[in-house]
Amino acid sequence: EDQVTQSPEALRLQEGESSSLNCSYTVSGLRGLFWYRQDPGKGPEFLFTLYSAGEEKEKERLKATLTKKESFLHITAPKPEDSATYLCAVKASYDKVIFGPGTSLSVIP
Amino acid sequence: DAGITQSPRHKVTETGTPVTLRCHQTENHRYMYWYRQDPGHGLRLIHYSYGVKDTDKGEVSDGYSVSRSKTEDFLLTLESATSSQTSVYFCAIRRGITSGSSNEQFFGPGTRLTVL
Repeated sequence: EDQVTQSPEALRLQEGESSSLNCSYTVSGLRGLFWYRQDPGKGPEFLFTLYSAGEEKEKERLKATLTKKESFLHITAPKPEDSATYLCAVKASYDKVIFGPGTSLSVIP
Repeated sequence: DAGITQSPRHKVTETGTPVTLRCHQTENHRYMYWYRQDPGHGLRLIHYSYGVKDTDKGEVSDGYSVSRSKTEDFLLTLESATSSQTSVYFCAIRRGITSGSSNEQFFGPGTRLTVL
C-alpha cells in the first residue's frame, strides 16, 4: 500500500537552532516528491519538487534532499517566521498524490 | 499565487442539508482537485477533474459529487451533509506540461465547513 509518514509530529526549536524534518514513503513507483508549507488558516504553499535519489533543492533557509526511501527538509538557522506546518507528498501514479500528516514547526525567539 | 479562489470561506450548516462549495481559477488550467483536510489524516483527495465535464473519484468520494461545466469553475456538492463531513476543504490546480511544472499542485485558501 502506498504510504507517506512524517516525523516528528511536532518540533519546537530556538531561533537559530538548525534541525531536520523527515518524510518516509513507500510507493510502487515514485514520480515526484513535494514539500509544502502551510500556515494556520491558509492553503498549502508549494516549496519544492524532487524526482530522483540524490537530488537537492534549496530556498533561503530550507534545503530538501531525497533518497530512495525518504526525504529530509533541513532548516538552517530558523527564524520565528519559519513556524508553520510542513507537508510532504508523493506522486505515485499519473494522478495519485498522497500527502503525509505534516510536521508542525514552532521557532521560538 | 495560482489565481484560485474558494467560496464560501466559512459555512455552518445542519445535518441533512445540501451544500455546494465553489472553486474558481483564472489561469485556464485543465486539472482541478478537491481535497479535505482533517487532523491526523493529512490531505485526502475527494474528486478531481481533467477537463470540462471530465471528472473522477478520489479516495474519499462517498457522499460527495462534483461538476465542471466550464474550465474556470469546479463545484463540490454534499447532497445531504453529515457531521463526518465537517472539515476544511481545499481546491487545487495542476499546471500543464507547457508551463514547465506539470506535477505540482497549487492550492486555494480553503473553505471551513461545519455540519451541526
